[in-house]
Amino acid sequence: TQLLEQSPQFLSIQEGENLTVYCNSSSVFSSLQWYRQEPGEGPVLLVTVVTGGEVKKLKRLTFQFGDARKDSSLHITAAQPGDTGLYLCAGARSQGGKLIFGQGTELSVKP
Amino acid sequence: ETGVTQTPRHLVMGMTNKKSLKCEQHLGHNAMYWYKQSAKKPLELMFVYSLEERVENNSVPSRFSPECPNSSHLFLHLHTLQPEDSALYLCASSQDGPYNEQFFGPGTRLTVL
Repeated sequence: TQLLEQSPQFLSIQEGENLTVYCNSSSVFSSLQWYRQEPGEGPVLLVTVVTGGEVKKLKRLTFQFGDARKDSSLHITAAQPGDTGLYLCAGARSQGGKLIFGQGTELSVKP
Repeated sequence: ETGVTQTPRHLVMGMTNKKSLKCEQHLGHNAMYWYKQSAKKPLELMFVYSLEERVENNSVPSRFSPECPNSSHLFLHLHTLQPEDSALYLCASSQDGPYNEQFFGPGTRLTVL
C-alpha cells in the first residue's frame, strides 16, 4: 500500500499552460516537502509546509498543505520548459521522522 | 566541491563483482542516507546514519553493506548483486531537526549484468 499517492503520474503540456499536481494520503503528516528532480541529477528541495492550510509561493509555483495535513498540492502557473522534471512529495509522520516519498509526477513542458 | 558528491556516476558490474559507492557531503550535516530509486517506484530508504551511528536499516539484503567512517563520508559496499538491484542509488545528507530536509547527491546509476 502506497502511503503517499501522487497524481497524475505523467503530465505532458504546452508552454504557458497551468497545472496542478496532487499528493494524497489517509495518514496525517507533521510536515510535507516537495522536491524536483531533473534527469541525471538528485532531487532538489523546493519547499517544506508544516501548518494545516498553509500556502507557500515560489515564483510561479504555489504549494498548499491540506487543512487536515493529509494532502498537498503543487500548482504551476504558465509552465515553462525549464519546469520539466520529476516532482516528488515526501512527508514525515513526526518531527524529525524519516521521510516517506510518493512515487513522483513526471512533468514534460513542450515549447 | 560543494553540496553532496557521489562517485562513480555510472557503474556496470557483474553479479560476482565487489564494488563500492562513495558519497561525500560538504554541508556540515550530521546525518547521511542511502536511497534506492527504481523506475515508477517511490524512493526507498535503505540506511540512515546519524552522528556516524547507523540508526535505520530498512530490511536491506546483506549484499549491501554501508560504512560511515565520519560525518562527511558514506560508502555503500556491494557484492554478489542481482540484476534487480540495478537502479539509481542516491546519497543524501541533512541536519538533525524537525523537518529532516534532504540534500541529495546526483546519484550513481548502477547496472548489474
